[in-house]
Amino acid sequence: NAGVMQNPRHLVRRRGQEARLRCSPMKGHSHVYWYRQLPEEGLKFMVYLQKENIIDESGMPKERFSAEFPKEGPSILRIQQVVRGDSAAYFCASSPLGQATDTQYFGPGTRLTVL
Amino acid sequence: GESVGLHLPTLSVQEGDNSIINCAYSNSASDYFIWYKQESGKGPQFIIDIRSNMDKRQGQRVTVLLNKTVKHLSLQIAATQPGDSAVYFCAETYSNAGKSTFGDGTTLTVKP
Repeated sequence: NAGVMQNPRHLVRRRGQEARLRCSPMKGHSHVYWYRQLPEEGLKFMVYLQKENIIDESGMPKERFSAEFPKEGPSILRIQQVVRGDSAAYFCASSPLGQATDTQYFGPGTRLTVL
Repeated sequence: GESVGLHLPTLSVQEGDNSIINCAYSNSASDYFIWYKQESGKGPQFIIDIRSNMDKRQGQRVTVLLNKTVKHLSLQIAATQPGDSAVYFCAETYSNAGKSTFGDGTTLTVKP
């Protein structure tokens, strides 16, 4: 019974390149959340998706960032033209129903380093 | 705006002592709170949760207290062990959105 999986675990990109982060939710979960964590800080909400729909993207930067959760396959967080300030740990979480009282199960994170 | 914050950034305790980690929140409409534990290099791990219609909830060695009057949340860990060393986050979840707002975290260090 695999938990939330994220890959890659570590990603190094040069400024201007694209970063693609993948998240496979727990089996049976159709709700995915992406969070960003800067060093020595808490997690900041970015986006909440359900299969094929973006439910809440209030935490997403207006430019360069996008997310999707297709009918088949993992959720993808895409960062175009990365800058050094994008260096952070990106976590995804999943829940079964998307209700406020659902436990969100977190993946191990992807640590993005922008050179 | 709403925020969730922690009173103390670090806490150091002796093994076997009890630990108390505090958290303040500002949105009085919040109705669900969670404590997470994050070990170095790992994702947050759910510890315990509490709904706003409760003021206390107990788990195995952990207790969460909610004081809605002063908008304060605490996590009590009994007989703290070295394995409890981690960063602890409180989080507030909105009823309709499902997203969580996290505090900045308290680093708990347990000395043997």
